[in-house]
Amino acid sequence: RKEVEQDPGPFNVPEGATVAFNCTYSNSASQSFFWYRQDCRKEPKLLMSVYSSGNEDGRFTAQLNRASQYISLLIRDSKLSDSATYLCAVNTGFQKLVFGTGTRLLVSP
Amino acid sequence: NAGVTQTPKFQVLKTGQSMTLQCAQDMNHNSMYWYRQDPGMGLRLIYYSASEGTTDKGEVPNGYNVSRLNKREFSLRLESAAPSQTSVYFCASSPGVSNEQFFGPGTRLTVL
Repeated sequence: RKEVEQDPGPFNVPEGATVAFNCTYSNSASQSFFWYRQDCRKEPKLLMSVYSSGNEDGRFTAQLNRASQYISLLIRDSKLSDSATYLCAVNTGFQKLVFGTGTRLLVSP
Repeated sequence: NAGVTQTPKFQVLKTGQSMTLQCAQDMNHNSMYWYRQDPGMGLRLIYYSASEGTTDKGEVPNGYNVSRLNKREFSLRLESAAPSQTSVYFCASSPGVSNEQFFGPGTRLTVL
């Protein structure tokens, strides 16, 4: 089993839709969790950290489910500009972050 | 603040040539990383430096060497480039190894 797994997608949604991605991790000792956004031919950019209590930043909500070992990212009221690949990153307990391969989101008019 | 900078942005090499990719950060971060990203493979860690003066192998270190020149700079060297090293290379830095990482703009390398 991979340390961090994501559904590659693509997720095709219309503008205004709500979409959610999950990211599962294998190491129950993981302590730090992050979501990144990567546009085509660009570097990954930090979108948000994921806290135990969950956190929200505008239209984006991140949550952690330790019992089932996954994190989620919810995007409300999708915009065309949200089209990108979303990477999760997990501190696996051996200190380094491990990145998922990403979930591609396509928002259409 | 420029964040993480990388040079060059693009490079074409012939098989067997050598080159060094440069990376610098101005955020006073302790940890720095080199990744390669290939289609369908995600980010793969080549080498990292948890702190100035230390370097460790990542998932795919073969064919590469690194130098943590000082706290700001972390270079990646290809001694004898191979077509399998054609990729996009990202440098990243973080306050510590378990913290969020910040990426440079990448170097697109083609080895013919």
